[in-house]
Amino acid sequence: GEDVEQSLFLSVREGDSSVINCTYTDSSSTYLYWYKQEPGAGLQLLTYIFSNMDMKQDQRLTVLLNKKDKHLSLRIADTQTGDSAIYFCAEGSNFGNEKLTFGTGTRLTIIP
Amino acid sequence: DTAVSQTPKYLVTQMGNDKSIKCEQNLGHDTMYWYKQDSKKFLKIMFSYNNKELIINETVPNRFSPKSPDKAHLNLHINSLELGDSAVYFCASSRRMLGQETQYFGPGTRLLVL
Repeated sequence: GEDVEQSLFLSVREGDSSVINCTYTDSSSTYLYWYKQEPGAGLQLLTYIFSNMDMKQDQRLTVLLNKKDKHLSLRIADTQTGDSAIYFCAEGSNFGNEKLTFGTGTRLTIIP
Repeated sequence: DTAVSQTPKYLVTQMGNDKSIKCEQNLGHDTMYWYKQDSKKFLKIMFSYNNKELIINETVPNRFSPKSPDKAHLNLHINSLELGDSAVYFCASSRRMLGQETQYFGPGTRLLVL
């Protein structure tokens, strides 16, 4: 079955870049997503990338996809205290109704 | 303007009780989902409905029964609640556009079974 893995914790100094990594096993994945969950809140879609793309940039966010290695990363430039949250990567397959398989989530802590 | 809403936000109940969680989306989406997030923040899909029809059922105990009265609503009824049912339950909805289907999540319902 599908499996998506992430490191559980990441600490970064304010102003530095954060890089959150994710690996997945399903080679049929069509889209890969990054969601953000702030404490006590729901999941907020940050960005997504189609599997035939290598990179996608959206303001402070850069997504890199290495399809050969099934590795996805999210880089947050100039990390701010408001970026503190749990970040989930998820993979979906484009077979009719999409079932997302989520990673374990990476808890990002910002050090002042 | 709430896109995906859930009620209640918090639910505390005794073991053995029956409870329902409601979900509504005003995005005009065709597909709705229920996810369970456990205490370790692991998020797993439970059900998916498309146009009121059950599409995905991920080996969830039959104490859990989703009901979709229309495309905009997907409710979750849980019978004989157990301690292990304590979790955060997220509803989501999506619509396929140009081959891509992004899911939008509700704020979650925090269920605590005592």
